[in-house]
Amino acid sequence: QQQVKQSPQSLIVQKGGISIINCAYENTAFDYFPWYQQFPGKGPALLIAIRPDVSEKKEGRFTISFNKSAKQFSLHIMDSQPGDSATYFCAASPSPYSGAGSYQLTFGKGTKLSVIP
Amino acid sequence: DGGITQSPKYLFRKEGQNVTLSCEQNLNHDAMYWYRQDPGQGLRLIYYSQIVNDFQKGDIAEGYSVSREKKESFPLTVTSAQKNPTAFYLCASSRVAGVSNEQFFGPGTRLTVL
Repeated sequence: QQQVKQSPQSLIVQKGGISIINCAYENTAFDYFPWYQQFPGKGPALLIAIRPDVSEKKEGRFTISFNKSAKQFSLHIMDSQPGDSATYFCAASPSPYSGAGSYQLTFGKGTKLSVIP
Repeated sequence: DGGITQSPKYLFRKEGQNVTLSCEQNLNHDAMYWYRQDPGQGLRLIYYSQIVNDFQKGDIAEGYSVSREKKESFPLTVTSAQKNPTAFYLCASSRVAGVSNEQFFGPGTRLTVL
């Protein structure tokens, strides 16, 4: 059972455009939602993360929007650049205090973003 | 530099052989993880350990084994029982206690079975 569904699988955006990647989750115990960026042949690196007590978090050109009632969250990349071309993974985990036992991360399947000049 | 190191970067194995992938961290993290990455499949958890001398199976543990004798080290053995071991393997670590589960990843090991 896939607990975090990510879309689209691939995305092509022109330089300067907005890239939007969406994720949906099922487990209501999830309360930590990170996004990871991975370049080919490298390990993923944390890009930005959000907790459900806020609906939006912005860091530079990257913004997470969070909709708790819909159990959805999304990554927006403003002014997309060719250097942003990478695979992006959303993830989710429950709080250590939720009693859900292990709070390991559950990952989406990834979105391959290509930003063309 | 603090971080996670994995070795080797590339590994070739003949069918029927066991191989061990190394993972070391100097972040003083309690928890360590092994993931397998296949194209279009995202990251799937193989094993994780939250404390020395203890570890738990993840979603795809069959054909793999681990040990956690030291806080800094979490080697993964891919046994001959793993039917399709060719993949990119990622090690990660995190603090155990706290309000988030931020995981830091190593650079990965690409295993190819010949």
